[in-house]
Amino acid sequence: DIVMTQSPDSLAVSLGERATINCKSSQSVLYSSNNQNYLAWYQQKPGQPPKLLIYWASTRESGVPDRFSGSGSGTDFTLTISSLQAEDVAVYYCQQYYSTPPYNFGQGTKLEIK
Amino acid sequence: QVQLVESGGGVVQPGRSLRLSCAASGFTFSSYAMHWVRQAPGKGLEWVAVISYDGSNKHFADSVKGRFTISRDNSKNTLYLQVNSLRAEDTAVYYCVKVLASGSYRDAFDIWGQGTMVTVSS
Repeated sequence: DIVMTQSPDSLAVSLGERATINCKSSQSVLYSSNNQNYLAWYQQKPGQPPKLLIYWASTRESGVPDRFSGSGSGTDFTLTISSLQAEDVAVYYCQQYYSTPPYNFGQGTKLEIK
Repeated sequence: QVQLVESGGGVVQPGRSLRLSCAASGFTFSSYAMHWVRQAPGKGLEWVAVISYDGSNKHFADSVKGRFTISRDNSKNTLYLQVNSLRAEDTAVYYCVKVLASGSYRDAFDIWGQGTMVTVSS
């Protein structure tokens, strides 16, 4: 099974500043036949289900603000929020959907305002 | 609009069973693989099971293999999770989840239900 590890576990960033969350997979999630990374990012606010932000490692879901961006390839990935807004306070998860299941999630990163 | 509504959760004693349901609307249910994901109180997300669009392929997390069954009724636009031999560690919110694109289950999860709570307690 592919293990997903996020860092840090929690993060405090000032409003308007950049927030960076890292995700590392125990094996590559880059599929050579289509050159796609099978990696997604989700945002979960308290009392709500998760919301898809990014898929294929860097494709923003429709309606997601462009301050959210995803990057990386192979085993190392990053979610960046370019200018933190108050409504971005949440827990963020990465997930791989490479090959056969299980499609494991990272442990989550809690993002707060400094 | 696209919507998933789970039901069937509740408080159940260890060793008992429940059937969770997920009613889908706003999309062609029969074209999409569907997953179940759970979240224990105060914990992270745990992938549970997947079923292909036509029900021919199913996979389970090791933690539930042999105890949980996933099925679907495409004529009723409904997904099911039969949870048997429940344990305290199965206590969680169970989410029904749709994949982004039709066909494959190897895809991101774009629509999540609000979840149904299962509490296993004596």
